Amino acid sequence: DADVTQTPRNRITKTGKRIMLECSQTKGHDRMYWYRQDPGLGLRLIYYSFDVKDINKGEISDGYSVSRQAQAKFSLSLESAIPNQTALYFCATSAGTGGNTGELFFGEGSRLTVL
Amino acid sequence: KQEVTQIPAALSVPEGENLVLNCSFTDSAIYNLQWFRQDPGKGLTSLLLIQSSQREQTSGRLNASLDKSSGRSTLYIAASQPGDSATYLCAVPGSPTSGTYKYIFGTGTRLKVLA
Repeated sequence: DADVTQTPRNRITKTGKRIMLECSQTKGHDRMYWYRQDPGLGLRLIYYSFDVKDINKGEISDGYSVSRQAQAKFSLSLESAIPNQTALYFCATSAGTGGNTGELFFGEGSRLTVL
Repeated sequence: KQEVTQIPAALSVPEGENLVLNCSFTDSAIYNLQWFRQDPGKGLTSLLLIQSSQREQTSGRLNASLDKSSGRSTLYIAASQPGDSATYLCAVPGSPTSGTYKYIFGTGTRLKVLA
């Protein structure tokens, strides 16, 4: 089994629908991240969490929300999906301390298409 | 603000060649640098993590070097194989002002090794 698991792997939805992407990890890491990947733009950070009680916005958090349900679970929600949120979404974890992020480990990705 | 550039954007080589992928970054005050491999539509696989105190790291046919003072890293692939065909991304932590806790990604080098 993968250390970082994302569900669903693929999702097609319509504009205005609420969507939740889930991430779970078995690495025992405190730090979890949600990234979005678009062709030509690279990976951009949406939200990150350093422990269960810590949630922080990344560079492109508008239109997204997150929930850290447990050390091992971090979910990303799109309250009202729009077509420009069509992208490949990645969850990542790390065991960093302080200002040192540490090595990042990624899930397989969730491809979201908003029609 | 930390910026990461990867050159070339795409590379096509015959099988067996040794090759070098380049990564440059603007803020040299980094804890580490990480190289990833991404197959089409897949997640990112960590290849090598170089700590700021290290000059290079090796894993099999891969060797990554780091020169913090010049803001450069190279990924050397020896005796390339068609299975090495993928996109290679480098990532470094952000600057102290933008946040060292998050990684900034380059847009990658798309490598194709011809049989």
